[in-house]
Amino acid sequence: GQQLNQSPQSMFIQEGEDVSMNCTSSSIFNTWLWYKQDPGEGPVLLIALYKAGELTSNGRLTAQFGITRKDSFLNISASIPSDVGIYFCAGQAYGGSQGNLIFGKGTKLSVKP
Amino acid sequence: GAVVSQHPSWVICKSGTSVKIECRSLDFQATTMFWYRQFPKQSLMLMATSNEGSKATYEQGVEKDKFLINHASLTLSTLTVTSAHPEDSSFYICSALDRRLAKNIQYFGAGTRLSVL
Repeated sequence: GQQLNQSPQSMFIQEGEDVSMNCTSSSIFNTWLWYKQDPGEGPVLLIALYKAGELTSNGRLTAQFGITRKDSFLNISASIPSDVGIYFCAGQAYGGSQGNLIFGKGTKLSVKP
Repeated sequence: GAVVSQHPSWVICKSGTSVKIECRSLDFQATTMFWYRQFPKQSLMLMATSNEGSKATYEQGVEKDKFLINHASLTLSTLTVTSAHPEDSSFYICSALDRRLAKNIQYFGAGTRLSVL
């Protein structure tokens, strides 16, 4: 099925560094969501975005809904070891089944203390 | 955020047996729930959409007779893997759609690790 282009695929950073990851789509989305998944667990919602241009923060996390409605980014500032995990973007496309999400392939984040 | 409970968290079964996985929305009513399968180091793959009081909608390539879904109440959906085989071993995750405040957000359960011997 359709998937979002999420990059980078993986990141190895030093504790304290900032992190940026993004997702792009060929189609317009009306909702962008960012989830984090720890090993052996289900995804946990980090941030939800509903309007083009919307910029939303959740602690050290900031995400934006792109103006074109075809992209979104997630930034993590001053990373800490517990930020380790896989981050997924997910979007709901216009015309799609209500509530159905399309997922990116994930960004695996590793943080060196 | 909303709370979704999934049970069991892991199960080991013999080939040929059936396994039932439960997904409950604890603090909201969910007319729609979703079932995903996740292979190692991969993203979530939607298997089916579960609608309360009606038949589930299965994604292409997912056998409906193999993966039985029942959504009998507004807070519970079940996935039964029938006649399980080793190739059914995987991580299964459910989610419940929270429509409150007109925000369609999927909240996920913690997942079920199924191992078929």
